[in-house]
Order: sequence, then C-alpha cells, then structure tokens
Amino acid sequence: AQSVTQPDIHITVSEGASLELRCNYSYGATPYLFWYVQSPGQGLQLLLKYFSGDTLVQGIKGFEAEFKRSQSSFNLRKPSVHWSDAAEYFCAVGEDSGGGADGLTFGKGTHLIIQP
Amino acid sequence: EAQVTQNPRYLITVTGKKLTVTCSQNMNHEYMSWYRQDPGLGLRQIYYSMNVEVTDKGDVPEGYKVSRKEKRNFPLILESPSPNQTSLYFCASSLSGGFGSGYTFGSGTRLTVV
Repeated sequence: AQSVTQPDIHITVSEGASLELRCNYSYGATPYLFWYVQSPGQGLQLLLKYFSGDTLVQGIKGFEAEFKRSQSSFNLRKPSVHWSDAAEYFCAVGEDSGGGADGLTFGKGTHLIIQP
Repeated sequence: EAQVTQNPRYLITVTGKKLTVTCSQNMNHEYMSWYRQDPGLGLRQIYYSMNVEVTDKGDVPEGYKVSRKEKRNFPLILESPSPNQTSLYFCASSLSGGFGSGYTFGSGTRLTVV
C-alpha cells in the first residue's frame, strides 16, 4: 500500500528565508504526487502536482517541488517565504489502479511557522 | 464560481442521533470523496465515488455511509454518531477517475459528537 511520510511536524522559518519541506513516499509504480496548503480555518488548496516529465515542477505562490525517484522524495521549496505562507502543508500520493483513481493518501502534515 | 459546497460548516450533536453532511459540486465532476482530518493523523479517506451509483470504501469507512444518486451530490451519513467521530470533514471532487485535474476541496465541516 502506498504511504507518505512528512518527517517534520513543525518548521519555523524567518520571513525572507528559504524553505524546504520534506516528503517521502512509498509506492511501487510511478506515483502521482501533490502538495496542498491549508490556511487556518480553510480547506485545502493545490499548490502543485507531478505526474511525469520534468522532475522540477512549478506551482502557485512561488513554490516548486522536485521529484527524486532514487530517494522516493518530493520536497517542496520556496526561495523566500512571506508571513502569509504560515499554514499547514500536506504532501499526497495518488494511485490509479487502471479502473480509475482510488483516492489520495496524505501525509500527516507539516505546520509552518514564520517568524518576523 | 466552480466550487465544492459542504453544509453545515459546524455541527454539534449528541451520541446516536443520525446526521447528514451534504456535499455538492457544480463542476460536473465524476469523482467525489470524503476525508476526515484529525490532529497528527493528516487526512484519511472515508469513502469515494467514481460516478453515479458507484461508491467504495476508503481507509476508515466504519460508522459512515454515503450515497451518489446524482452526479453533483455526495452526502455523508452518520447513522449513529459516536464521540470518536468528532473531526473535521472534507469533501473533494475531481473531473474524472484520474488525477489530471487535481482535487477541489470544500471548506470543511467541523463535527463535534458529545
């Protein structure tokens, strides 16, 4: 069964500093990979996704992520964070069994704190 | 505006009293799903539906029911709620059975069972 690990429960970053959120997955085939952001009291918003092709994907709000098959990782990065980036970030992996999507498996989330 | 609408946003109920959380999408999506979110556990899938009259269990289906009589609606039913079902619930939809278009999530329903 597929699984997703986000090793960092909390991360604190100074405003203007760079950010990297880690995500490791366990899956047999090429996975469908996603990063979502959840602001306080809000639903989940898709930041970016990877299916195939270029392993460096660009998303919204200045985020990017790199798929590394050899490391089973899909880390999220941003060169300079803003206070508005404070939120919960979820990595997710999808499985397509051939008959259609069986749903996304989410990591437990990383809570990002931005300090002034 | 394309969206997934859940109602209610907040609900407090008593153990054993049947309740329904509604979910509706206006994007003509085939795929719909319910998740619950609990602290330290992330989001876990409860049920999903690939199309009308086609539903299947996710990872944590016990204590829940769903139905998909129309394409736009996917209600979540708790026949006899218990305190361990206190959680934040999200409905999501996707254009097709694949992941190409990504998921659109509703704003969530915070349920408290006392």
